[in-house]
Amino acid sequence: NAGVTQTPKFRILKIGQSMTLQCTQDMNHNYMYWYRQDPGMGLKLIYYSVGAGITDKGEVPNGYNVSRSTTEDFPLRLELAAPSQTSVYFCASSYTRTSGGETQYFGPGTRLLVL
Amino acid sequence: AQKITQTQPGMFVQEKEAVTLDCTYDTSDQSYGLFWYKQPSSGEMIFLIYQGSYDEQNATEGRYSLNFQKARKSANLVISASQLGDSAMYFCAMRGPLNTGTASKLTFGTGTRLQVTL
Repeated sequence: NAGVTQTPKFRILKIGQSMTLQCTQDMNHNYMYWYRQDPGMGLKLIYYSVGAGITDKGEVPNGYNVSRSTTEDFPLRLELAAPSQTSVYFCASSYTRTSGGETQYFGPGTRLLVL
Repeated sequence: AQKITQTQPGMFVQEKEAVTLDCTYDTSDQSYGLFWYKQPSSGEMIFLIYQGSYDEQNATEGRYSLNFQKARKSANLVISASQLGDSAMYFCAMRGPLNTGTASKLTFGTGTRLQVTL
């Protein structure tokens, strides 16, 4: 199993450009998440999805959009890049269990620099 | 709203010694879960240990244990017999009650950087 994969690993964007961060998981997890991690900070939830066709906002959704057409894929779209979106982006997935101790498996991250 | 506080920006520990990383939390929920993740310099997030709010015993996973003090709202991570490979950022996180909108959304602290020395 590859687990959670993210592409690209690193990207430089100009202000106003758009891009899509790709995320794929092969563990058949129903839940998927996008987080951002600013320097010296913890992760903040951008969007999450509880299954194909269902998405919801997290703590910091402004400036981003997501879609979940399949169980495996959960792309994150930046429409008009701004310097404030310079960050490391992590995708994660989990399979909910009634015990509640489900681990979120994280991808390797995408480092985005907006200039 | 949930909040996680990690007051130690950085910690040093000698190899083979034990170290405690502090985590306090704030929530009005009766049911919740607490996680610890490790982030090495390579950047990936590695799950270490989980504690449910109704678990009566402290969680343990190998050299990691979670010192859960519910009345104090603390969930400190204890690493025994530190190794050089333990040098990393450590994040405490919590989730809300099961079967609610916050069940799978994690709130993270700002992290503690641990440096293990010879």
